[in-house]
Amino acid sequence: AQSVTQLDSHVSVSEGTPVLLRCNYSSSYSPSLFWYVQHPNKGLQLLLKYTSAATLVKGINGFEAEFKKSETSFHLTKPSAHMSDAAEYFCVVSAGNQFYFGTGTSLTVIP
Amino acid sequence: KAGVTQTPRYLIKTRGQQVTLSCSPISGHRSVSWYQQTPGQGLQFLFEYFSETQRNKGNFPGRFSGRQFSNSRSEMNVSTLELGDSALYLCASSADPLAGPWNEQFFGPGTRLTVL
Repeated sequence: AQSVTQLDSHVSVSEGTPVLLRCNYSSSYSPSLFWYVQHPNKGLQLLLKYTSAATLVKGINGFEAEFKKSETSFHLTKPSAHMSDAAEYFCVVSAGNQFYFGTGTSLTVIP
Repeated sequence: KAGVTQTPRYLIKTRGQQVTLSCSPISGHRSVSWYQQTPGQGLQFLFEYFSETQRNKGNFPGRFSGRQFSNSRSEMNVSTLELGDSALYLCASSADPLAGPWNEQFFGPGTRLTVL
């Protein structure tokens, strides 16, 4: 069975400080993992994806994520938060022809 | 390449009515998935279509149905609307999820349905 757990429903950081959004997954297969971002009243945009080529994945807007099989984690990080990063973030595991979404983490960036 | 488009963007209906939402995938994409997003339940998978066939279905009542046309465009229909159906309905397309793990889904902007 496949599932995703996003460990924090809300994260608040100051502008210019690091961002860490945590995600743990469960998968019966070798997983494909994604992070999507959703800005208010918008659709979801792909930030990055892991497909077993490299454990450290770089995405758009300075985000990156590290796949750790031993910890079944795929945490999203960014060295320095920007005001425009305020949004909802979803961790997703793909298995077969279905995507499994986490419950989302709302990121607030304080000026 | 044009992205995923959804029409209409906003819709207001009353209880008991039915509604049809439309999704046009990215050109060349043959898989279309539908999701319901609400503040309380988050993102929930409705169904996925590939080559005009429903391949996967989430845990929603039969009032929710869909179809896909030969040009890969998809519609979803909700009959006998209930207040709880108020949500953002998102459509996503991909080339073919089974073709490989790099086939991520591309999302449309969604249709905001309000049921009064």
